[in-house]
Amino acid sequence: SQKIEQNSEALNIQEGKTATLTCNYTNYSPAYLQWYRQDPGRGPVFLLLIRENEKEKRKERLKVTFDTTLKQSLFHITASQPADSATYLCALPLMNRDDKIIFGKGTRLHILP
Amino acid sequence: DAMVIQNPRYQVTQFGKPVTLSCSQTLNHNVMYWYQQKSSQAPKLLFHYYDKDFNNEADTPDNFQSRRPNTSFCFLDIRSPGLGDAAMYLCATSRDLARSDTQYFGPGTRLTVL
Repeated sequence: SQKIEQNSEALNIQEGKTATLTCNYTNYSPAYLQWYRQDPGRGPVFLLLIRENEKEKRKERLKVTFDTTLKQSLFHITASQPADSATYLCALPLMNRDDKIIFGKGTRLHILP
Repeated sequence: DAMVIQNPRYQVTQFGKPVTLSCSQTLNHNVMYWYQQKSSQAPKLLFHYYDKDFNNEADTPDNFQSRRPNTSFCFLDIRSPGLGDAAMYLCATSRDLARSDTQYFGPGTRLTVL
């Protein structure tokens, strides 16, 4: 069955450094992948979408890569700030379903001042 | 600002006492979703409406029902809440069912079952 794996351990990064989060998936070749940010007690907020024919996507300090051979997406935050502290979720469309995406459990990121 | 609103933000109910959570949107999106999210878990899709068409996920318990009286509003009814139903309930919308459509989430309702 289709699986999404995100590092369940919290990631602590010093302010100003680059934070890199990983999303691995198995048993599937998704046409795209999305990244969302979720703050405690709040709903997820869409950040970026990357398609299978795109190697890299950028938005301000955010960068996402998509390696369909490794079945992996990396999410980078450059010049990280304490305000970037949150849980980051990756999401993929479900195989054979046009109307559903499945989320990973997310990785909690702490940017230390 | 166009947005997705959920009320109440916090809901406390008793074991077995029916409860209704509400969601409204000003985005005029065709699709509305309900997700259940437990602590440190991924959001789990319960069901969605595409316009008036209801699509229930196969593993959603019968205890969970939904209504969408118009484009703007969608309700989640839990007929007999159990302790295992305590969770954050998230409403989301998307413009269409296109596979790459972004989902816009509300702030969620935290349900406590006593």
